[in-house]
Amino acid sequence: NAGVTQTPKFHILKIGQSMTLQCTQDMNHNYMYWYRQDPGMGLKLIYYSVGAGITDKGEVPNGYNVSRSTTEDFPLRLELAAPSQTSVYFCASSYFQGEVTSPLHFGNGTRLTVT
Amino acid sequence: AQTVTQSQPEMSVQEAETVTLSCTYDTSESDYYLFWYKQPPSRQMILVIRQEAYKQQNATENRFSVNFQKAAKSFSLKISDSQLGDAAMYFCAYCKGAQKLVFGQGTRLTINP
Repeated sequence: NAGVTQTPKFHILKIGQSMTLQCTQDMNHNYMYWYRQDPGMGLKLIYYSVGAGITDKGEVPNGYNVSRSTTEDFPLRLELAAPSQTSVYFCASSYFQGEVTSPLHFGNGTRLTVT
Repeated sequence: AQTVTQSQPEMSVQEAETVTLSCTYDTSESDYYLFWYKQPPSRQMILVIRQEAYKQQNATENRFSVNFQKAAKSFSLKISDSQLGDAAMYFCAYCKGAQKLVFGQGTRLTINP
C-alpha cells in the first residue's frame, strides 16, 4: 500500500518557468490537499479538492493551479515561477463522509527551489 | 478565521523525562478536531494524536497524551519517558469541516541523552 506518492522529491526551477508537481493516492480517499511549508513555519493550505472535478482555494492559492480529473490524482501547477514559491510542498489525502473521517495522510514532500 | 498558536519555538528534555508542548487556538465553532503532528528531519508528517472536540476525555496514544481544555481553547501534548526518536518538530493543528487543517508555527523538540 503506497499511500500518498509525490514526485519529484527535489527540483530546481528558473524564474518564469512552469512545472507540475504530481500527487497520487491509492486509498480511495475523496479529499485531497496541497500545502506548502516555508522554512521554520507550519504548513499553509494552497488548494484542496473534495472529489473528482471539484477544487477550491485555500489560504495561499496565488500563483498555483490544480485539477482533479480522477479520484487518485491531484497535480499542482506552478505558472511563471517566482522566488517566493521556494518551499516544501506536501500533498495529503483523507476520507470524509458525514460522521466518518480519517486523519490526513501526507506524502513525503517536494522540495522546490526557484532561482 | 481560525488561528493556532504554539508559543514555544524550542523545547528540550532529558531522555526518559516528561515534556509538555503548548498549543492554543481560536475558533467560534463547537465541533472540530485537534491534532498533533510530528515532523522528523526526514520531513515526513506523522500523526501523533487526534482529539475530537465533542469528547471530554483526553486522547492518549501510548507515551503521548493531551490535555484538552475546550473552554480555554488549549490543547497541550505531553510526552512521557522521552526517547531519542521523539526529537522532531511538533505541529499543533485544527480543522473544522473538509479537513482543512490550520497549523501552528511548530515547536522544535530536542532530546538530551
